Amino acid sequence: GAVVSQHPSRVICKSGTSVKIECRSLDFQATTMFWYRQFPKQSLMLMATSNEGSKATYEQGVEKDKFLINHASLTLSTLTVTSAHPEDSSFYICSARGTGAGEKLFFGSGTQLSVL
Amino acid sequence: QKEVEQNSGPLSVPEGAIASLNCTYSDRGSQSFFWYRQYSGKSPELIMFIYSNGDKEDGRFTAQLNKASQYVSLLIRDSQPSDSATYLCAVRGGGADGLTFGKGTHLIIQP
Repeated sequence: GAVVSQHPSRVICKSGTSVKIECRSLDFQATTMFWYRQFPKQSLMLMATSNEGSKATYEQGVEKDKFLINHASLTLSTLTVTSAHPEDSSFYICSARGTGAGEKLFFGSGTQLSVL
Repeated sequence: QKEVEQNSGPLSVPEGAIASLNCTYSDRGSQSFFWYRQYSGKSPELIMFIYSNGDKEDGRFTAQLNKASQYVSLLIRDSQPSDSATYLCAVRGGGADGLTFGKGTHLIIQP
C-alpha cells in the first residue's frame, strides 16, 4: 500500500522556538495533504488542508500564522509550528490523498510534540 | 458543524466473541465512511471504508451503513486480544473534504 513518511516522530523543544514537521509520500503523488492534531484521549481534529502549489485552507480556530503549511511539491508537505508554547504540545498527524488512491487517505506515523 | 459521535467505552468483549462498534454522524451530506484502528501513541490505520447502504465484509470485519438513520457500525468477529485498540469512526463529505473523526471507542478483548 501507499506509504507516507512523517518526521520527526518525537520532538521536545523550548517555549518560543519553531518546529518543522515533514510529511512525504513515498510511492504516490499526494495531490492533497491534511494535517490533524490529536490531544490525549481526544479525536483527531483537522487543522488544515493543502493542495500542491496552493495556499492551505485552515479550519476555524486554527491560526494560519502560527501553523505554517507548505505543500510545494506532490511528495512533500511541511507544517511549521512557530513560537511554540506548551499548549501546542500534541500529536500531529499528516495524511495524504493522491492520484489513483480514490477515497483512501494514507496517514503518516505522527509526531509527538512536547513544548517545555 | 459536522459531528461524529461514538461511545468512548471502554467496551469489553471476551475473546472469540463479536465486538460491535457504533457511530452516528450529523451531516446528511456525508458520502464516505471509514473505520480506523489506533493503538496508543500510534497513527490511525484504515480498517474499512463504505459508501453504500448495507453491509460490507472484509475478513473478520463487517461495516454496516444506514444513511437514513445516519448510523454506521463495525462488527469484529472472532475477536482477538490484538484487536484491543481505539476504533475511530470517520466521515467525509463530498469534494476534497478532510475527514471528521469521532473520539473513538476503546475496545478491550479479554483473553
